[in-house]
Amino acid sequence: DAKTTQPTSMDCAEGRAANLPCNHSTISGNEYVYWYRQIHSQGPQYIIHGLKNNETNEMASLIITEDRKSSTLILPHATLRDTAVYYCIVTQGGSEKLVFGKGTKLTVNP
Amino acid sequence: NAGVTQTPKFRVLKTGQSMTLLCAQDMNHEYMYWYRQDPGMGLRLIHYSVGEGTTAKGEVPDGYNVSRLKKQNFLLGLESAAPSQTSVYFCASRETGRGHSPLHFGNGTRLTVT
Repeated sequence: DAKTTQPTSMDCAEGRAANLPCNHSTISGNEYVYWYRQIHSQGPQYIIHGLKNNETNEMASLIITEDRKSSTLILPHATLRDTAVYYCIVTQGGSEKLVFGKGTKLTVNP
Repeated sequence: NAGVTQTPKFRVLKTGQSMTLLCAQDMNHEYMYWYRQDPGMGLRLIHYSVGEGTTAKGEVPDGYNVSRLKKQNFLLGLESAAPSQTSVYFCASRETGRGHSPLHFGNGTRLTVT
């Protein structure tokens, strides 16, 4: 599975959009981009995934560049409850081994 | 539908003691995983299983053993606990891949080895 690079930490003002970048320059054609988040010490929670096209669900939007070498997770109106560690991973749909990096610690400030 | 359930939630062991962490899922998922998480670190994969009766090593398998005798259960064993195994342990499961297959996580087991 392709490796990912994320900033260690980011800050965002409450009510503003939070844009979390992820670099995955070695991604291959059949690999998906997945985003998870971990609030405090809970188990990580699935947010969104994509292959080539931009995706949106009730939690977030995912923008994938045309060359697929990077992506951005967008939380359109961040709240204090969105403070968490966000993980970007890249993997084939049926890949057996799923490896996480250290993620981005997002702090939403009042 | 409980999802992924981990037992126990908390445990304190003395060095050299053994224990087994249990993960149970009720979603009929084929793949199951054990991760550990240490302060300031991300999740590190210990072992995983792609089906009943199968197991494989992850990134940090030393000091741990696993078994998947039933599809719904994935057990993580520590034969002789060491302080370096103090951590939060997360279990996860997912369907086999035909396209999109996200991980579902339990809420963790907090283990302290003194």
